[in-house]
Amino acid sequence: GENVEQHPSTLSVQEGDSAVIKCTYSDSASNYFPWYKQELGKGPQLIIDIRSNVGEKKDQRIAVTLNKTAKHFSLHITETQPEDSAVYFCAASKFGGSTLGRLYFGRGTQLTVWP
Amino acid sequence: GAGVSQSPRYKVAKRGQDVALRCDPISGHVSLFWYQQALGQGPEFLTYFQNEAQLDKSGLPSDRFFAERPEGSVSTLKIQRTQQEDSAVYLCASSPRRDPPFEQYFGPGTRLTVT
Repeated sequence: GENVEQHPSTLSVQEGDSAVIKCTYSDSASNYFPWYKQELGKGPQLIIDIRSNVGEKKDQRIAVTLNKTAKHFSLHITETQPEDSAVYFCAASKFGGSTLGRLYFGRGTQLTVWP
Repeated sequence: GAGVSQSPRYKVAKRGQDVALRCDPISGHVSLFWYQQALGQGPEFLTYFQNEAQLDKSGLPSDRFFAERPEGSVSTLKIQRTQQEDSAVYLCASSPRRDPPFEQYFGPGTRLTVT
């Protein structure tokens, strides 16, 4: 099955700085890569996703890049704010096969933004 | 609009008891997923429904776990004869799509503690 590795496990930044979280995946057939933000006591919230036919996607302060050859993808948050503090998860999925639709998650990154 | 809701939010069960966890997906969402999230880990897939059909149950950890979605809307995850290792947060996600990629929207989860 798919194996998603995520680094770092914890990340502390000063307000206004950028934060980068990196993930690798093992199954070259994976072609959908969402990112989730999970605040304490809440369920994961979809913040951005990218499909394998696209190399980069941006949404305001958030961007995701994908390198299919190297099988890694990254989340970039610019101009961080204290409310960005949360656990971030990357995930991978593929369109077909026996594991249709299921998401394989990384272990998460605890991001702390200091005012 | 209303998101995915789950009940109860917290459940304490004695070892050996049966529990039932409920998920109300976003109205009109045809696809529904259950995940199990252990403390400090990413969610792990349990099962997937498209309408009332359970298309993938390969993630259920044992035959003590059973899920149903009889009318293609509300879903129930049942765990029989609970064990301590079943302690986790159980997350439900729904998607408006019937074909991948499934943008999955999560509920707040049910935290199950087995004593």
